[in-house]
Amino acid sequence: AQSVAQPEDQVNVAEGNPLTVKCTYSVSGNPYLFWYVQYPNRGLQFLLKYITGDNLVKGSYGFEAEFNKSQTSFHLKKPSALVSDSALYFCATHDRGSTLGRLYFGRGTQLTVWP
Amino acid sequence: DADVTQTPRNRITKTGKRIMLECSQTKGHDRMYWYRQDPGLGLRLIYYSFDVKDINKGEISDGYSVSRQAQAKFSLSLESAIPNQTALYFCATSDLDGGAGELFFGEGSRLTVL
Repeated sequence: AQSVAQPEDQVNVAEGNPLTVKCTYSVSGNPYLFWYVQYPNRGLQFLLKYITGDNLVKGSYGFEAEFNKSQTSFHLKKPSALVSDSALYFCATHDRGSTLGRLYFGRGTQLTVWP
Repeated sequence: DADVTQTPRNRITKTGKRIMLECSQTKGHDRMYWYRQDPGLGLRLIYYSFDVKDINKGEISDGYSVSRQAQAKFSLSLESAIPNQTALYFCATSDLDGGAGELFFGEGSRLTVL
């Protein structure tokens, strides 16, 4: 079975501080891993993905994520948080060995950046 | 104009009514999906379609049906709506085979069943 877990429902951080939103995955093979962001009353937007290659992936809006195979993690990070980063963040995975091509989403982490 | 358009954006209906949510896309993608979002549960897949002749059930297809009228159009129907189908529904598209492509989402359709 394929799944991702986001252990924190909420993350609060002060503006200017580094932020981390955690994600761990469980797939039977090698994973594709994704991060999406949802702003209020909007659809989800793609941030970044890990397919292969460099374990550190850089994405939109200054976000990055590190693929750690030994810890089965794909945590989202940003060196300096902005109030405008406040949103709901979703991790998602797909087993590249599967032909179905569908994603499995985590339950989401609400990030609040306070001024 | 949005690449993935959902209509209606908001709908309030009564138990037992038939509801259709429509999705159209201008991205030229073959793959289309319907997801449901509930607070604290993330997104759950209802149905997905990899081309006009291909329809597949997702995790929570009971009580729903879909129609892929064309490459650009994918509709979700609730034949007889019930209150626990109150949720935010998203249509999405993707292009690459094998699951490596990112999803492009519509703005969502908020459905309330009384």
